[in-house]
Amino acid sequence: DIQMTQSPPSLSGSVGDRVTITCRASQSINQYLNWYRQRPGKAPEVLIYAASSLQSGVPRRFSGGGFGTDFSLTISGLQPEDFAIYFCQQSFSPPLTFGGGTRVEMK
Amino acid sequence: QVEHVQSGAEVKKPGASVKVSCEASGYNFRAFGIHWVRQAPGQRLEWMGWINIDNGNTEFSQKFQGRITITRNTPASIVYMELSTLRSEDTAIYYCARGVRSSGWLFDHWGQGTLVTVSS
Repeated sequence: DIQMTQSPPSLSGSVGDRVTITCRASQSINQYLNWYRQRPGKAPEVLIYAASSLQSGVPRRFSGGGFGTDFSLTISGLQPEDFAIYFCQQSFSPPLTFGGGTRVEMK
Repeated sequence: QVEHVQSGAEVKKPGASVKVSCEASGYNFRAFGIHWVRQAPGQRLEWMGWINIDNGNTEFSQKFQGRITITRNTPASIVYMELSTLRSEDTAIYYCARGVRSSGWLFDHWGQGTLVTVSS
């Protein structure tokens, strides 16, 4: 199975801050990487697919990058609704696997 | 609008089975796959498997092979996930999610989740 490792496990920020989360795959997954946000008590919602493509309806403050084994998600200007947990997910090969999550907390 | 409504919370004893439903609406049900993902307390999301609505083919994570069944009722736009021989480690929130083929699978619409508690 492909292991997905996210860092940091948690970070704190203020509204308006720019934050970056990273995700590393245990083997190359080309661009087959998606990012999700999960707000408390809610189901995950997709933000970025294929490493850098913005899902329809998602605000432009979210951006993704990377290829192969190393990926990043950047939020340019944290909003109140962004204090949540973020997960990466590889879609290169089954079983589809997720990262352990990064909790973004209010400073 | 696209929506997936799941069945309610369940409490089961070890060794029992649980069957969770996921009713879809707002789109062409046959044109997509439905995946099941679970989230145990304090654990990462875990993909369990999926069903091709059009032909009924399924694919499962090796971890759940032999214990999981996914079926669909196409006229009613409902997918069922049944997990057997439950153990305490199966206590989790179970989500259904619509799968879209876009550089592999992405899950663009999720159900609200169903809490399954396994306890003696």
